Amino acid sequence: DAGVTQSPTHLIKTRGQHVTLRCSPISGHKSVSWYQQVLGQGPQFIFQYYEKEERGRGNFPDRFSARQFPNYSSELNVNALLLGDSALYLCASSFGATGSTDTQYFGPGTRLTVL
Amino acid sequence: GNSVTQMEGPVTLSEEAFLTINCTYTATGYPSLFWYVQYPGEGLQLLLKATKADDKGSNKGFEATYRKETTSFHLEKGSVQVSDSAVYFCALQNQGAQKLVFGQGTRLTINP
Repeated sequence: DAGVTQSPTHLIKTRGQHVTLRCSPISGHKSVSWYQQVLGQGPQFIFQYYEKEERGRGNFPDRFSARQFPNYSSELNVNALLLGDSALYLCASSFGATGSTDTQYFGPGTRLTVL
Repeated sequence: GNSVTQMEGPVTLSEEAFLTINCTYTATGYPSLFWYVQYPGEGLQLLLKATKADDKGSNKGFEATYRKETTSFHLEKGSVQVSDSAVYFCALQNQGAQKLVFGQGTRLTINP
């Protein structure tokens, strides 16, 4: 079975541009979460979506937005890119929104570089 | 708020040495605890987990026990291999939430 997939693998943008990152969850999983991992740090939670609704949001500015589609895939959008947005963006999927025993499985990530 | 603190790295060991990576947490309620591993250039892989106090998670020779009294979840392995070289992240997840809170990561290098 395919795991969580993300595209693109790498991306280079310049300051002020907009970027869209994509994620396809494991088949049967309805929840998708996004994390930002800056070099040398642990991942930071950005969003969680379940059944196309936002169920959680981390401490990120409004330049960050996301959505989930009927097939449970998801997009993360970042507007007005800053140098500090350079990071590995990770997507994780799980069965649902019930929490504690609902293990999240991560994709390989999208490496975003902002010049 | 919720937080996870890991021992600072990097950690360098010789092959077959005993490994301990310390992890302590602060959380409300009774979170689930996880260890994830990240190999160079890859995403995160779940290594092991424990969902309640005194549970022991284990996988690939690694073990960690959920200690509520000391709010700890230390990762151990009796005999490390070169292939264990990676960055290890301790994380917690509160009940009823999907959000994972990660520690800063510990880079482990095993020399032959």
